[in-house]
Amino acid sequence: GQNIDQPTEMTATEGAIVQINCTYQTSGFNGLFWYQQHAGEAPTFLSYNVLDGLEEKGRLSSFLSRSKGYSYLLLKELQMKDSASYLCAVRDSNYQLIWGAGTKLIIKP
Amino acid sequence: GAVVSQHPSWVICKSGTSVKIECRSLDFQATTMFWYRQFPKQSLMLMATSNEGSKATYEQGVEKDKFLINHASLTLSTLTVTSAHPEDSSFYICSASSLAGDSSEQFFGPGTRLTVL
Repeated sequence: GQNIDQPTEMTATEGAIVQINCTYQTSGFNGLFWYQQHAGEAPTFLSYNVLDGLEEKGRLSSFLSRSKGYSYLLLKELQMKDSASYLCAVRDSNYQLIWGAGTKLIIKP
Repeated sequence: GAVVSQHPSWVICKSGTSVKIECRSLDFQATTMFWYRQFPKQSLMLMATSNEGSKATYEQGVEKDKFLINHASLTLSTLTVTSAHPEDSSFYICSASSLAGDSSEQFFGPGTRLTVL
């Protein structure tokens, strides 16, 4: 079966750095996405990785290792507004998005 | 980025009635639209995938006769929840993608919160 694993909840301090991991087993791979979702709102796109390596965009970085079925999202200089759920999703060989359950990130002052 | 709208943003209805939710891609042609359902504190659950002009593909466990999907044009898809019941109360989110250009992501609508009394 297809499976995406990510931690259920993480806590970090304002101004610090947090790394949210995602491991996946899917039938085929056509890219990995990270989305942010605030409570009661639809997800918003954060990053897309299809090749191995690190993609950096401002305070946010996303890493992919296809051989290990592993990705992480790195958030730097955390702000209170970063408190949200972070969803990892993998596009499989049928171009369907397989979703993780999300990681709820709690930022403390 | 591309914009996807949903209407209504929230709806309250009586048990047994039908509710239609519209999903529109405002500035691009969506060859594929996706309908998701999300219960509180749970992840997105894909209900169905629809391609313009063809029948929707439903995920296992989703009743196609209860959740009617129409994708009549490249900018509009509708989801009709027929004979809604309280257990259908949920957050329904659509997303759209286009095979044209360099788009590699799904663009999400703002969601529709359905409450069935």
